[in-house]
Amino acid sequence: SQQGEEDPQALSIQEGENATMNCSYKTSINNLQWYRQNSGRGLVHLILIRSNEREKHSGRLRVTLDTSKKSSSLLITASRAADTASYFCAVANQAGTALIFGKGTTLSVSS
Amino acid sequence: GAGVSQSPSNKVTEKGKDVELRCDPISGHTALYWYRQSLGQGLEFLIYFQGNSAPDKSGLPSDRFSAERTGGSVSTLTIQRTQQEDSAVYLCASSPRGLGVRNEQFFGPGTRLTVL
Repeated sequence: SQQGEEDPQALSIQEGENATMNCSYKTSINNLQWYRQNSGRGLVHLILIRSNEREKHSGRLRVTLDTSKKSSSLLITASRAADTASYFCAVANQAGTALIFGKGTTLSVSS
Repeated sequence: GAGVSQSPSNKVTEKGKDVELRCDPISGHTALYWYRQSLGQGLEFLIYFQGNSAPDKSGLPSDRFSAERTGGSVSTLTIQRTQQEDSAVYLCASSPRGLGVRNEQFFGPGTRLTVL
């Protein structure tokens, strides 16, 4: 596939713990985005990191990007049960006409 | 303001029938995307509309699939002679403009299609 493989496929943690998800991609990028999906329906944009950025924060989210390794990580700190969802990274396709998504990481946070 | 809406939310059809799925993007968004998500999978790009430009249809899996965008707003995805492998959630997204710049996409809730 062109891009966007998340690791691990599934992650189970307790409330209050941190969750880290990784993403690898294959080609050069302008930016990388992370999305969240609840119950297999619509996706919600979480954060976008540009290729010239190495780290970005948004609330309890921290995203890193290593363009030399073509990888990114999403860290959710102090997780809550409401964080239970699937998380996807996405990068633009070569034509710049769509996002290419990986299969996602399914996060389960138990109270 | 209103987000991206899709209808119907669920559609059950028999193999061989045609179905139409509708997407209302956010007002003013010039770019519109259709994706398909099979069970437990990531999103698969289907088609992209940007303003009055010719759509990028490179993701459509077969000639049974087609899409239109009328008046630069509402879009309809049509699947003819549905097959069981067409069962999936069909997601529509829009963005203020194309992906050339750093643009997030705004997704609708999806249409879950089940072909019996």
